[in-house]
Amino acid sequence: EPEVTQTPSHQVTQMGQEVILRCVPISNHLYFYWYRQILGQKVEFLVSFYNNEISEKSEIFDDQFSVERPDGSNFTLKIRSTKLEDSAMYFCASSAMTSGYINEQFFGPGTRLTVL
Amino acid sequence: DQQVKQNSPSLSVQEGRISILNCDYTNSMFDYFLWYKKYPAEGPTFLISISSIKDKNEDGRFTVFLNKSAKHLSLHIVPSQPGDSAVYFCAASARGGSEKLVFGKGTKLTVNP
Repeated sequence: EPEVTQTPSHQVTQMGQEVILRCVPISNHLYFYWYRQILGQKVEFLVSFYNNEISEKSEIFDDQFSVERPDGSNFTLKIRSTKLEDSAMYFCASSAMTSGYINEQFFGPGTRLTVL
Repeated sequence: DQQVKQNSPSLSVQEGRISILNCDYTNSMFDYFLWYKKYPAEGPTFLISISSIKDKNEDGRFTVFLNKSAKHLSLHIVPSQPGDSAVYFCAASARGGSEKLVFGKGTKLTVNP
């Protein structure tokens, strides 16, 4: 069964460093998302991406964040200068569209980001 | 921002009995609702969804009920199995507008053998 994959599973970085989190969405999906979950809190939407551009972003997704689809398979989230409060699980998701509606989102296993 | 609320942080049931997980929402623009299951150290796994044009959707042991007037949905699992023990998240979106999912805080279900 097709699945969303994410690498690395765990990333430890120093405050102020740049990190890139990688995702391979399900191959025939066209809609891509990043969410995060800070320990003990809700899963929160960060950004959605379609047709090589951001379609929506939350207020969390400030200038420190960027997304890219560098080739036909990868979808990346970059945090330019990490802060302690960026420590969280980051989930990538993808979805398809049928009959004019975007379907359920399928999530990857997540990357645990720890900022020291 | 509590647009999607799961008021029970935990639920414990006996194997073979029914599990009922509840979810309330406040945003009238939501028209698509989903339930996800999550095991520790894994991503949310899609379980079942329902569009606002329906009031019930069933898939095997899982049934989701939607009461639009009460802005309430519930997930029924019958019969419950120990492997169902996980955190269950309710999520909602406005399909005609934003694609983003808005999640509840989750309910931890424990099914005891």
